[in-house]
Amino acid sequence: EPEVTQTPSHQVTQMGQEVILRCVPISNHLYFYWYRQILGQKVEFLVSFYNNEISEKSEIFDDQFSVERPDGSNFTLKIRSTKLEDSAMYFCASSEMGPRQNSPLHFGNGTRLTVT
Amino acid sequence: EDKVVQSPLSLVVHEGDTVTLNCSYEVTNFRSLLWYKQEKKAPTFLFMLTSSGIEKKSGRLSSILDKKELFSILNITATQTGDSAIYLCAVNTPGNQFYFGTGTSLTVIP
Repeated sequence: EPEVTQTPSHQVTQMGQEVILRCVPISNHLYFYWYRQILGQKVEFLVSFYNNEISEKSEIFDDQFSVERPDGSNFTLKIRSTKLEDSAMYFCASSEMGPRQNSPLHFGNGTRLTVT
Repeated sequence: EDKVVQSPLSLVVHEGDTVTLNCSYEVTNFRSLLWYKQEKKAPTFLFMLTSSGIEKKSGRLSSILDKKELFSILNITATQTGDSAIYLCAVNTPGNQFYFGTGTSLTVIP
């Protein structure tokens, strides 16, 4: 069964450094998302991406965050200058259908980001 | 602000028990409600509900939606230790946004 893949599974970085989290969504899916989950807390929406542009973003997704689909398969999340509070599990997800149809999110296994 | 609330926050039961997990929501525009199971890493999809009163069933798990009262329940019968996980409820709104609740942590002890 096709799946969303994320790399790396764990990333440790120093405060102030830039990180890029990578995702390969399921190939025929149209909507892509980044979510994060701070340890012990809820899954929080960061950003959605459709038709090669940001569809919606949350308050968390400030100027230090950016997303890119550099080619036909990869979907990346960049954090420019990491802060301690960015430490979390970052999930990439994709869904098959466009905005007018119902389809579930399929999640990758996540990248655990630790900022020291 | 759109809101999804799950209860209880955590639950400990013995194998063989039946559990009911609750999810209530307040969203501006509703498209569907989804249940996910999260073990160690990625949430895995269980059910998507769009219509009131129609039960979705998969083995020992079942779920139903009440769009008038704005809630859903997830039932697990004859629980097993492998059912131990966090169960997440999410609501999908137009624009294909998904809003998650805090989850219910279920522990099934032998």
